[in-house]
Amino acid sequence: DQQVKQNSPSLSVQEGRISILNCDYTNSMFDYFLWYKKYPAEGPTFLISISSIKDKNEDGRFTVFLNKSAKHLSLHIVPSQPGDSAVYFCAASSSNFGNEKLTFGTGTRLTIIP
Amino acid sequence: NAGVTQTPKFQVLKTGQSMTLQCAQDMNHNSMYWYRQDPGMGLRLIYYSASEGTTDKGEVPNGYNVSRLNKREFSLRLESAAPSQTSVYFCASSEPPDLYNEQFFGPGTRLTVL
Repeated sequence: DQQVKQNSPSLSVQEGRISILNCDYTNSMFDYFLWYKKYPAEGPTFLISISSIKDKNEDGRFTVFLNKSAKHLSLHIVPSQPGDSAVYFCAASSSNFGNEKLTFGTGTRLTIIP
Repeated sequence: NAGVTQTPKFQVLKTGQSMTLQCAQDMNHNSMYWYRQDPGMGLRLIYYSASEGTTDKGEVPNGYNVSRLNKREFSLRLESAAPSQTSVYFCASSEPPDLYNEQFFGPGTRLTVL
């Protein structure tokens, strides 16, 4: 059972426009959420995070929104740049289990069109 | 600071052969992880080690063994490789009690089992 879902395998966005990547989760015990970015032939790298006590966290061009009642989070990138083309994974953990493990979604491949 | 290093980068095995994937980190992290990435499946946890001397199963442990040799090194062994183990393998490390459990990933090992 996939506890963290990214229902869009791919997304194409024009350079300069907003990219919105979505993630849904089913386990109500999750209270910490992270986004990772992955380029081909490299390991994932941490991008931004949010805890369940917040509904928004912003870092430069990247903003993550959390809707706990809907068990949904989204990553907004604005403006989108060619270097943002990558696969994006959302991940979740639970402090009830010591935050020892991350559960990852299946990823969304973002392509920025120049 | 090399971060997380993995060897080898690529490997081709025949069914039934054995091999060990090596991982080392120089960030003095207590926790280390092994994941596999398959198309459409995201990153799935194979095994993790919360501290030196301890290991625990993740989501997909069958067919694998691990050794936490010391604080720096965490190896993954395939005793009898099967085509279903064709995948990209990532090692990661982190330092709880970071509540977000931000994990740092190595560059990956691409394994093909014929």
